[in-house]
Amino acid sequence: EVQLVESGGGVVRPGGSLRLSCAASGFTFDEYGMTWVRQAPGKGLEWVSGINWNGASTGYGDSVKGRFTISRDNARSSLYLQMNNLRAEDTAFYYCAALRSGNYLYAFDIWGQGTMVTVSS
Amino acid sequence: QLVLTQSPSVSASLGASVKLTCTLSSGHSTYTIAWHQQQPERGPRYLMTLNSDGSHTLGDGIPDRFSGSSSGTERYLTISSLRSEDEADYYCQTWRTGVVFGGGTKLTVL
Repeated sequence: EVQLVESGGGVVRPGGSLRLSCAASGFTFDEYGMTWVRQAPGKGLEWVSGINWNGASTGYGDSVKGRFTISRDNARSSLYLQMNNLRAEDTAFYYCAALRSGNYLYAFDIWGQGTMVTVSS
Repeated sequence: QLVLTQSPSVSASLGASVKLTCTLSSGHSTYTIAWHQQQPERGPRYLMTLNSDGSHTLGDGIPDRFSGSSSGTERYLTISSLRSEDEADYYCQTWRTGVVFGGGTKLTVL
């Protein structure tokens, strides 16, 4: 079964850090581009970051540039998002998604179920 | 600037058809988009990739009740034979140097 399972969410204080993980199974992970998308409560989808199949190319949304870092470990079929200097406006469900194209700039074929991040004092 | 615009909400009756619209900003009429569905309290699900010529590719397991079409800067998602489980938010997505989402359309099935 094709599956993406996010973990690592939780409650963190403003200025704090958190590392999200996404475990992939059921498909050839090292052929897929990967991405993170977030959704604030009651709001729409916002692209956070993407990485191509071998990690050589990455991209970030303007609201997280310089604070978040995306990475992947193809040997472990895992995607990561290191989030530093967190702000209240980073509070959201965080979803990982996979792209068959191998790039991170294309349609998202597979989605996870998300993990919640709450930034609050 | 690359922007996708969607109507906030639409409603249609059980068993009927509905057509959702995603509008690309001016000058971006050749862009390919994707449609995604998000049922209540669930993660999004990929529906299809839709090209500017109207050709489209459905995601794995997506029934052919879902189809796509294009005209100029407009991209459409048509759902026929509406079922209660089609009640969801629908998002369009495109990309250039980054990824852009439309604001989403909430479909209510009456």
